[in-house]
Amino acid sequence: EDKVVQSPLSLVVHEGDTVTLNCSYEVTNFRSLLWYKQEKKAPTFLFMLTSSGIEKKSGRLSSILDKKELFSILNITATQTGDSAVYLCAFSYSNSGYALNFGKGTSLLVTP
Amino acid sequence: GAVVSQHPSWVICKSGTSVKIECRSLDFQATTMFWYRQFPKQSLMLMATSNEGSKATYEQGVEKDKFLINHASLTLSTLTVTSAHPEDSSFYICSARDRDISNQPQHFGDGTRLSIL
Repeated sequence: EDKVVQSPLSLVVHEGDTVTLNCSYEVTNFRSLLWYKQEKKAPTFLFMLTSSGIEKKSGRLSSILDKKELFSILNITATQTGDSAVYLCAFSYSNSGYALNFGKGTSLLVTP
Repeated sequence: GAVVSQHPSWVICKSGTSVKIECRSLDFQATTMFWYRQFPKQSLMLMATSNEGSKATYEQGVEKDKFLINHASLTLSTLTVTSAHPEDSSFYICSARDRDISNQPQHFGDGTRLSIL
């Protein structure tokens, strides 16, 4: 059975700290791994990773995928209170038309 | 950028009522749309894949007669929760992909909070 496990489940940091969120997976027919940020409404897209070892970067956020060790990390540097959210890791299958299987998420709280 | 519109955003109704939720892709065509459900403190769970012009594909454990999906055009999919009961109260979210762009992430609607009294 396919699995996606995120850690930690929750995290509290101070503004300015750097955080690393983890996502490990066991998936057959892997196509891509995606990171989303969810606040009160639906998820907003952050990154899509298909190739191993290539870092994707957007502002203070970055992510990388290791297809050999089957995990991905999401880094957030110089955290701000607006980064407080649930961060979801999801993967899509090569044989399922892009439906997503989500992990349970990491709840991040950034305090002033 | 691509936008997916979901309506209504909030529904409160009595047990036994049927509720229809609409999902529209506003500036692209979507052969496939997806319906997810999220219970409090839990992650999103795929309910079904909606295919334009054909029957939806339901995930294991999701009752197709209770959650009716119609995808009559390339820009609209609807989910009808029939004879809703309090255990159906949840956050329902749709997503869609642009059929003309390969290997792109899904775009999500803003979700519908359904509360059954």
